[in-house]
Amino acid sequence: DSGVTQTPKHLITATGQRVTLRCSPRSGDLSVYWYQQSLDQGLQFLIQYYNGEERAKGNILERFSAQQFPDLHSELNLSSLELGDSALYFCASSVRSGGTEAFFGQGTRLTVV
Amino acid sequence: GESVGLHLPTLSVQEGDNSIINCAYSNSASDYFIWYKQESGKGPQFIIDIRSNMDKRQGQRVTVLLNKTVKHLSLQIAATQPGDSAVYFCAETGGTSYGKLTFGQGTILTVHP
Repeated sequence: DSGVTQTPKHLITATGQRVTLRCSPRSGDLSVYWYQQSLDQGLQFLIQYYNGEERAKGNILERFSAQQFPDLHSELNLSSLELGDSALYFCASSVRSGGTEAFFGQGTRLTVV
Repeated sequence: GESVGLHLPTLSVQEGDNSIINCAYSNSASDYFIWYKQESGKGPQFIIDIRSNMDKRQGQRVTVLLNKTVKHLSLQIAATQPGDSAVYFCAETGGTSYGKLTFGQGTILTVHP
């Protein structure tokens, strides 16, 4: 158990809909990262927050947004969903910003139908 | 480099053999190179990292080798066990990519008893 909690574990939704994925980092970790894992693109970095502030951004679509709350949990919002958004979405956390060791949650499997 | 999930390289070994997993990276400016292990149904898990100014680092049953001349990274696992069966990803961070991990495509390791 990495200490990172993601909910829900599975999500099935229709195209055009909006969903929110939730992540609770390890106790004491200030950084939260979101990654997307798909069959054709592998593991792709989406966005990082550190202590409530956006710190780094990857190839995150404009339809996607995230935030980190004062209690350090984070949410990833995906809107106007397309079939191609079906993937595993991982949250990871670490004590500081950057670094090499991030602790990953078990992921949320999103299926868009 | 970018990850491609389809047609991952595979490596099959017998229990007790040594395993060598290879990775080619693209960003010479990265400060750290890392290996992660992903078991079925779980998120990636940190194994070991190496700073760009080193060429070898050893952990428990694992050794990482870095060859900057040819931009090559390898992970050696000694006395491979069935529990080592997983997908192994190399990753890089630092330089202009500070704050995020850029993952390689992954290698599927299968250990036969």
